[in-house]
Amino acid sequence: DAGVTQSPTHLIKTRGQQVTLRCSPKSGHDTVSWYQQALGQGPQFIFQYYEEEERQRGNFPDRFSGHQFPNYSSELNVNALLLGDSALYLCASSLRVGAGVRTDTQYFGPGTRLTVL
Amino acid sequence: GDSVTQMEGPVTLSEEAFLTINCTYTATGYPSLFWYVQYPGEGLQLLLKATKADDKGSNKGFEATYRKETTSFHLEKGSVQVSDSAVYFCAPLGTGRRALTFGSGTRLQVQP
Repeated sequence: DAGVTQSPTHLIKTRGQQVTLRCSPKSGHDTVSWYQQALGQGPQFIFQYYEEEERQRGNFPDRFSGHQFPNYSSELNVNALLLGDSALYLCASSLRVGAGVRTDTQYFGPGTRLTVL
Repeated sequence: GDSVTQMEGPVTLSEEAFLTINCTYTATGYPSLFWYVQYPGEGLQLLLKATKADDKGSNKGFEATYRKETTSFHLEKGSVQVSDSAVYFCAPLGTGRRALTFGSGTRLQVQP
């Protein structure tokens, strides 16, 4: 049973460039959340996708955008990169429970380390 | 909004010592509570969880009990190993919310 996978593992970009990060959820999961973890800090929630729509967004500018595909995989796009965007980007998948808004346990991938020079 | 307070690290222990990492939280409604562990250079691994008051989550010798009256979810282990050296994160998931809330984590260093 494959866990959450992310690609690429590492990425180096320069300021002003754009980047796309990819995530495949754990088998059987339909919800993907993205988090940013700066060095020495805890992860910060960026947004969550379910049924190919953004369902909740954290305190991130709209330079950060995403997409979810019919197979539940997801992309995170960041435009106009800033030095401060350097971080570990974590994808987490979960299975939406019932008809309510509460989701089940989130399982994390290994992350993509983004360095902006 | 939701928030987490964890004891500041690093926590340095000798092998086979008893571990406690304190966690208190504020969250909307009746949250589920999680502990995640992060080893150097890796993503987060789920360690244990509890979904209602007085539930005890446990895994790999680690335990934590959901204390609604004190809004706490302290992590304990009776005998730590060098391989337990990592950063530990407590995270609530508030009712009706989709995002885990993390603090800065607690770094544990276990010496042989």
